[in-house]
Amino acid sequence: GEDVEQSLFLSVREGDSSVINCTYTDSSSTYLYWYKQEPGAGLQLLTYIFSNMDMKQDQRLTVLLNKKDKHLSLRIADTQTGDSAIYFCAEGDAGNMLTFGGGTRLMVKP
Amino acid sequence: DGGITQSPKYLFRKEGQNVTLSCEQNLNHDAMYWYRQDPGQGLRLIYYSQIVNDFQKGDIAEGYSVSREKKESFPLTVTSAQKNPTAFYLCASSRGQVIAKNIQYFGAGTRLSVL
Repeated sequence: GEDVEQSLFLSVREGDSSVINCTYTDSSSTYLYWYKQEPGAGLQLLTYIFSNMDMKQDQRLTVLLNKKDKHLSLRIADTQTGDSAIYFCAEGDAGNMLTFGGGTRLMVKP
Repeated sequence: DGGITQSPKYLFRKEGQNVTLSCEQNLNHDAMYWYRQDPGQGLRLIYYSQIVNDFQKGDIAEGYSVSREKKESFPLTVTSAQKNPTAFYLCASSRGQVIAKNIQYFGAGTRLSVL
C-alpha cells in the first residue's frame, strides 16, 4: 500500500526559512497536499500541487516536487511564531483517497 | 458561513457504552470521511461515504459504525467493541471522488476519552 513519511520535528528561528520534507511511494499519485494543524484543531489546507508540476509558489509558501525521487517539500519563507504547528503532507491516489504522513511539528523560536 | 461542524468538542465514554459523534456540513459536498488521530501520529481512515445511503470501510473500521441518511450529515458511532477509543476524531468532506482535485476540508475535531 501507499506510504508517506515525514520527519517528526523541525525547529527554526523567527525570520528564517523552514523546509519540511515528505517522501511517498505511490507513483500514481494525482495531487499532493500540505495541511496545517494547530493545537486541538482540525486540519487546514495550505496548498497543493498537481503531480506533473515541479514547483508551486503561493505567497510565503513554496512547494517543490521531485516526482522521480517521490520527494515533496514545503518551504516557508520568513517563518513567524504563528507558523508553529504540525504540518501534514498527503497524497491523493488514482481513486482520490488521501494518505497522510505522520506530521512534522514545526517549532519557531523568537 | 460554510463549513464543517463537529460536536461535541469533548466526549467521555464509559466502559461498555456506545457514543455518537456528530458531523454536519453545509458545503453541498457529496463525499464525507471520518479519520482517527492518535498522539504524534497521522490520520487513519475509519469510514467514508461518496454519496447518500452509501458508505465504505476504511483502514480501521472495526468497532465503529456510520450512517449517511442525509447529504449534510455523517455521524460516527464508537461502539463498545472498540477497545481503545481514546483519540482525536476528525470529520472531513469533499466535492467527490470523481473529481481529480479532491480537496478535503476538515472540521475542528472531537476528542474522545474513556472514563
